[in-house]
Amino acid sequence: KAGVTQTPRYLIKTRGQQVTLSCSPISGHRSVSWYQQTPGQGLQFLFEYFSETQRNKGNFPGRFSGRQFSNSRSEMNVSTLELGDSALYLCASSPSSSEKLFFGSGTQLSVL
Amino acid sequence: SQKIEQNSEALNIQEGKTATLTCNYTNYSPAYLQWYRQDPGRGPVFLLLIRENEKEKRKERLKVTFDTTLKQSLFHITASQPADSATYLCARGNTGFQKLVFGTGTRLLVSP
Repeated sequence: KAGVTQTPRYLIKTRGQQVTLSCSPISGHRSVSWYQQTPGQGLQFLFEYFSETQRNKGNFPGRFSGRQFSNSRSEMNVSTLELGDSALYLCASSPSSSEKLFFGSGTQLSVL
Repeated sequence: SQKIEQNSEALNIQEGKTATLTCNYTNYSPAYLQWYRQDPGRGPVFLLLIRENEKEKRKERLKVTFDTTLKQSLFHITASQPADSATYLCARGNTGFQKLVFGTGTRLLVSP
């Protein structure tokens, strides 16, 4: 089975721009969650989607949004980018009955 | 707030020895704790999950404990190998949700 696929792998943007990151979960996994990883804060939960519905949201500003499609693929969007948004954005999927997460390799976002 | 604390200092050990990593949590006991391994530039990889009512869990050379009195989990790698060198993340979670609270991880270096 293919793992979690995230695109693009690397992204460079400037302040004020917006960005869309994509995640394809493992086939059959209906839950997708997103995390932001920075050296100082570690992994922080952004949001979780299940069957196209947002089930949980972390403490991030409204500039961070996401959605899930009927095929379980997910996207997250960050508008009006700030320097502090530079981070590794990780997507994880899981089967409905499992708590363990399967992570992708992430998208490394650099905001200049 | 719910927090996970891991030793931020790297742990250096010799090949063949047992590595022991510590994870402390605050406030109430989580339903479970998970341990992940992360290599540079990659997403975390799930290793073990231990539930609140379990004292110990083993998988090959890995062992994890859950002490609700000390509010602590210990993660052991026996007969460590240089290939075990990585950052190990501890995370707390609750049943039914994919929102995990991660520690910042402990870097393990195993020298030949």
